[in-house]
Amino acid sequence: EAEVAQSPRYKITEKSQAVAFWCDPISGHATLYWYRQILGQGPELLVQFQDESVVDDSQLPKDRFSAERLKGVDSTLKIQPAELGDSAMYLCASGYRGRTDTQYFGPGTRLTVL
Amino acid sequence: GENVEQHPSTLSVQEGDSAVIKCTYSDSASNYFPWYKQELGKGPQLIIDIRSNVGEKKDQRIAVTLNKTAKHFSLHITETQPEDSAVYFCAATGFNKFYFGSGTKLNVKP
Repeated sequence: EAEVAQSPRYKITEKSQAVAFWCDPISGHATLYWYRQILGQGPELLVQFQDESVVDDSQLPKDRFSAERLKGVDSTLKIQPAELGDSAMYLCASGYRGRTDTQYFGPGTRLTVL
Repeated sequence: GENVEQHPSTLSVQEGDSAVIKCTYSDSASNYFPWYKQELGKGPQLIIDIRSNVGEKKDQRIAVTLNKTAKHFSLHITETQPEDSAVYFCAATGFNKFYFGSGTKLNVKP
């Protein structure tokens, strides 16, 4: 069964450093999502892509976060500079074209900012 | 926007008993309600979902019910097993945006 791939699985960094996360969605999935999940809470959407275009980034802290999906396949989420409050699980999900209500999640990247 | 509330936050049951988790939502335009299971250190896994034109859906030991008038939906797990122990999230979506509940930590005691 196809799965969403994410790397790294764990990342420890110091505040003010730059970090980047990578996501490879299920093949053929046009929609890609990045979520942030703070321990004990549900995921919160950061950005949504349809192919290579951003559909929704209203909750993305654009002063320090950026996301791209240049060829409409894999995607990178970057934080620069990282802050202590960015410690969380970063989840990537993907969905079929025209079926944006069905999302399949990757294993996530656990970020710890010291 | 949508507001999804989930109860209880923790639930402990004996193996073989049933477990029920409830969610309410605020936006009457929401039309799709998935449930996810998240094990420690892993991403959420879709376990069952229901659309607004259906009142109930069942898949083996798992069932979901939806009351659109009251704006609430519930997850029912029967004959619970230790491997059902995890955090369960409900979600509601309308206009292509997901809103997640805060999660229920289910502990099934052997």
